[in-house]
Amino acid sequence: EAGVAQSPRYKIIEKRQSVAFWCNPISGHATLYWYQQILGQGPKLLIQFQNNGVVDDSQLPKDRFSAERLKGVDSTLKIQPAKLEDSAVYLCASSFQGASNYGYTFGSGTRLTVV
Amino acid sequence: AQSVTQPDIHITVSEGASLELRCNYSYGATPYLFWYVQSPGQGLQLLLKYFSGDTLVQGIKGFEAEFKRSQSSFNLRKPSVHWSDAAEYFCAVVGYQAGTALIFGKGTTLSVSS
Repeated sequence: EAGVAQSPRYKIIEKRQSVAFWCNPISGHATLYWYQQILGQGPKLLIQFQNNGVVDDSQLPKDRFSAERLKGVDSTLKIQPAKLEDSAVYLCASSFQGASNYGYTFGSGTRLTVV
Repeated sequence: AQSVTQPDIHITVSEGASLELRCNYSYGATPYLFWYVQSPGQGLQLLLKYFSGDTLVQGIKGFEAEFKRSQSSFNLRKPSVHWSDAAEYFCAVVGYQAGTALIFGKGTTLSVSS
């Protein structure tokens, strides 16, 4: 089975510029997550989609971050304008949930450096 | 709110020695618990998970974890560490605040000395 695909792998931008990340989840996974992982910390959830609807975006800085999941498959995460503190790895994950089994698969992430 | 605590930021173990990484969670009901490993520049790889049943869970690469409800713990163990085990280890719990996203601890960095 193909994994979660993310692109680009690396991105360097100047502060106040905009950037977008793309994620293609595992086929059939209805739930998609975006996480932010700052160096030396655990991943922090930014937003969760169920199909093309938002389930939880309580930790998404909505003044600068936005995300969408059109047609309930691919997703994009955008930052505009970027700040220095946005430097992090952005991880996408997808999951299936059964009655007693949760499976989460993570992509390799996009490493963002804001200078 | 659910949370995960990994008390040890950094652990160094000699190659061949045993390993135990600690994880404590806060959640009222039976949690769904996970351990992931992340090597430098790599994604998160699932080591094992616990949903219910036998409290001793076997995972990949010779790892195991034991769920102890009385201690709210889910510690990761390995009887003999290999140099290739050096990595960052994350404990996580399924959160139920709104959705089903994983809530991660801050991680423990494992170094292996020869």
